[in-house]
Amino acid sequence: GAVVSQHPSRVICKSGTSVKIECRSLDFQATTMFWYRQFPKQSLMLMATSNEGSKATYEQGVEKDKFLINHASLTLSTLTVTSAHPEDSSFYICSARGIGLSDTQYFGPGTRLTVL
Amino acid sequence: RKEVEQDPGPFNVPEGATVAFNCTYSNSASQSFFWYRQDCRKEPKLLMSVYSSGNEDGRFTAQLNRASQYISLLIRDSKLSDSATYLCVVWASKIIFGSGTRLSIRP
Repeated sequence: GAVVSQHPSRVICKSGTSVKIECRSLDFQATTMFWYRQFPKQSLMLMATSNEGSKATYEQGVEKDKFLINHASLTLSTLTVTSAHPEDSSFYICSARGIGLSDTQYFGPGTRLTVL
Repeated sequence: RKEVEQDPGPFNVPEGATVAFNCTYSNSASQSFFWYRQDCRKEPKLLMSVYSSGNEDGRFTAQLNRASQYISLLIRDSKLSDSATYLCVVWASKIIFGSGTRLSIRP
């Protein structure tokens, strides 16, 4: 099946720093990528939808200036958590929907962010 | 009312048992339906799409009832390795995840 990678898989940073997470579709072109956040024992919450070459669409309550999304190519989207705080500590997962792959989303392995 | 609702469980069943989960959705315009499986601290993985006519993949059977707006997942002859959280996913204009149903299979 389609493969999506994320990097890094785990990151620990100090409060106030910025963290960039990469999401890549390895064997298909992804016109749309999605960024989710999952807190312990909770379901995935969609943060934003990213379309290649255009601005991301953010869900209500998600600060676009804090969570910067760039979808520069059909195989790469990045999420930058700016000025991270301990409450941003979470599991961030991206998914990609490819051209001709119907509505199925393929998920990256996730990035566990811990902000000290 | 949540857009997608699932019984959180946990369902604790013996190995070999048959277990079924339901999921209801509120948007009648929903077009696509999926079941994902998520293991602890891992990303969700697609288990199966759900088609209007119902579909089966080995021990797993998924069904869709558009009139009542629910989908179901049936697992037969459950294995220890089936222990996971099962997420119901509905797509209308965007993907909506259910909160998941935890399944634990005991020996």
